[in-house]
Amino acid sequence: GAGVSQTPSNKVTEKGKYVELRCDPISGHTALYWYRQSLGQGPEFLIYFQGTGAADDSGLPNDRFFAVRPEGSVSTLKIQRTERGDSAVYLCASSARPSGGDTGELFFGEGSRLTVL
Amino acid sequence: GQNIDQPTEMTATEGAIVQINCTYQTSGFNGLFWYQQHAGEAPTFLSYNVLDGLEEKGRFSSFLSRSKGYSYLLLKELQMKDSASYLCAVRSQAGTALIFGKGTTLSVSS
Repeated sequence: GAGVSQTPSNKVTEKGKYVELRCDPISGHTALYWYRQSLGQGPEFLIYFQGTGAADDSGLPNDRFFAVRPEGSVSTLKIQRTERGDSAVYLCASSARPSGGDTGELFFGEGSRLTVL
Repeated sequence: GQNIDQPTEMTATEGAIVQINCTYQTSGFNGLFWYQQHAGEAPTFLSYNVLDGLEEKGRFSSFLSRSKGYSYLLLKELQMKDSASYLCAVRSQAGTALIFGKGTTLSVSS
């Protein structure tokens, strides 16, 4: 696609429920990143995929959070037993290469705003 | 661990010049990025530094000193539309994710 697409744009759920957030990266981008951002804060790193595999999942806060990218394109962030503290904007970004001669600039989607009541 | 520090807020007037500083402490260094984020929108790329010195791009310039763990973003001829959050981000090693600072909220007044 033309840009990184994230769905849903807004999700309101109740404490304890399960949530899935989807990211469709720019076509051809091999690297995909998930961040979450709370009001007034910078993006907090969650997980990074290179192709289908998670190259770095050190930012996932606990085992309630999980992400997959089975075909190396679309990724889904899954949150089990949601808590009020999970409320944030979840940002997805993709880049053409993980490193190399170019900047490895990240292109961000508009985010999915998650509210846990 | 990794630590990226930048001021929380700054104010300036239209037509002025503002410098937003960023200091970082990371286990390695493979590039520093500046992003702009308007309220309610996605971050957008502004600049990239991997070698020491100044990179100029129109009204925006970014400087890096690797020995000091220091960068700044210089915005000239400020416009109202420059009111936004400016995010400093560092990649510690090739092929790893960017780690962001908390961002500096810049308010430009007329």
